[in-house]
Amino acid sequence: KAGVTQTPRYLIKTRGQQVTLSCSPISGHRSVSWYQQTPGQGLQFLFEYFSETQRNKGNFPGRFSGRQFSNSRSEMNVSTLELGDSALYLCASSLDGSDTQYFGPGTRLTVL
Amino acid sequence: DQQVKQNSPSLSVQEGRISILNCDYTNSMFDYFLWYKKYPAEGPTFLISISSIKDKNEDGRFTVFLNKSAKHLSLHIVPSQPGDSAVYFCAASARAGGTSYGKLTFGQGTILTVHP
Repeated sequence: KAGVTQTPRYLIKTRGQQVTLSCSPISGHRSVSWYQQTPGQGLQFLFEYFSETQRNKGNFPGRFSGRQFSNSRSEMNVSTLELGDSALYLCASSLDGSDTQYFGPGTRLTVL
Repeated sequence: DQQVKQNSPSLSVQEGRISILNCDYTNSMFDYFLWYKKYPAEGPTFLISISSIKDKNEDGRFTVFLNKSAKHLSLHIVPSQPGDSAVYFCAASARAGGTSYGKLTFGQGTILTVHP
């Protein structure tokens, strides 16, 4: 079974721009969670989607948003990028009712 | 407010010996715990988990112990192998109550180095 895939793997943007990251979960997994990893803050939960609905959200500003499609694929969007948004963005999928999440390789975002 | 803490930033072990990675938590609502292993430029890989109704779970060379009264868990790797060298994260979730959908709270990680 294929794992979680994320595209693109690397991205360079400048301040003020916006970015969209994509995540395809493991087949059959309908829950998708997003995390931000930085050296200072570690792995921080952004939000979770299930059946195209956001069920949970972390403590991030409204510039961070996401959505999920009917095939469970998910996207996250960051608008008005700031230097501090430079991070590894990780997507994870799980079966509904399970807390075991399986992570993708991540998208490394650099904001200049 | 760091609810999950891994107080040892690094651990160095000889090949064949036991590696013990520790994790403490403060939130008594956490009832499910996981360990992940991460290599640079890759996403975390799930290793093993434990529910709060258990105090031990084994999977091959990996054993996780949970001490609920002390709010402490540990991961034992026996025997340690050079390929185990990576960053290890413990994570926790609060399943009961249904308000923490999809949210894992992670520790800061421990860098394990296994020397041949």
